[in-house]
Amino acid sequence: DAKTTQPNSMESNEEEPVHLPCNHSTISGTDYIHWYRQLPSQGPEYVIHGLTSNVNNRMASLAIAEDRKSSTLILHRATLRDAAVYYCILSGGNYGGATNKLIFGTGTLLAVQP
Amino acid sequence: DGGITQSPKYLFRKEGQNVTLSCEQNLNHDAMYWYRQDPGQGLRLIYYSQIVNDFQKGDIAEGYSVSREKKESFPLTVTSAQKNPTAFYLCASIGAEGLDYGYTFGSGTRLTVV
Repeated sequence: DAKTTQPNSMESNEEEPVHLPCNHSTISGTDYIHWYRQLPSQGPEYVIHGLTSNVNNRMASLAIAEDRKSSTLILHRATLRDAAVYYCILSGGNYGGATNKLIFGTGTLLAVQP
Repeated sequence: DGGITQSPKYLFRKEGQNVTLSCEQNLNHDAMYWYRQDPGQGLRLIYYSQIVNDFQKGDIAEGYSVSREKKESFPLTVTSAQKNPTAFYLCASIGAEGLDYGYTFGSGTRLTVV
């Protein structure tokens, strides 16, 4: 399974944008890039995922480098509720079956200061 | 509201005992998963099931057992053969609409051996 590299921790100020980086230099052509986040003592929550093009949804944006070796999760205006561990994950193929299991690393702990 | 319910939230086990963790979903999802999370670590896959009456071992299945007799239920039994069962256990599911919504996780069961 291709691996991802994320900073252990980052800090942001409330209401400012946050850019969470992820390196995945060994990504294959069929790997999707997924982002999940986990609040303390809760299960992970889906944030966004993409393949090649940048993606936007109500929670965040995902910017994918042209060579796909890195990506950035963008929170446009951080709130205190965005403080969590953010996981960048690769999976072979899209969702659609148990074989496309997600391999979680240790993620990035995002602290948001008021 | 649709979602995944895990119970109990906290569970204490004496050494040598088997315990069963409950996972119920009303999302009509076909695929269900069990993950284990240790402090400061990512999630590791224990078992998964893609369809009723079928399940597969994940990366750390030793000392665990599962059943999938109903689509909505995927209980996990932690047996006495699991030497280090103290951890946070998470159940997840995904349906055919996974392309848009990703995995749904439960809120977890924290198991402690006393």
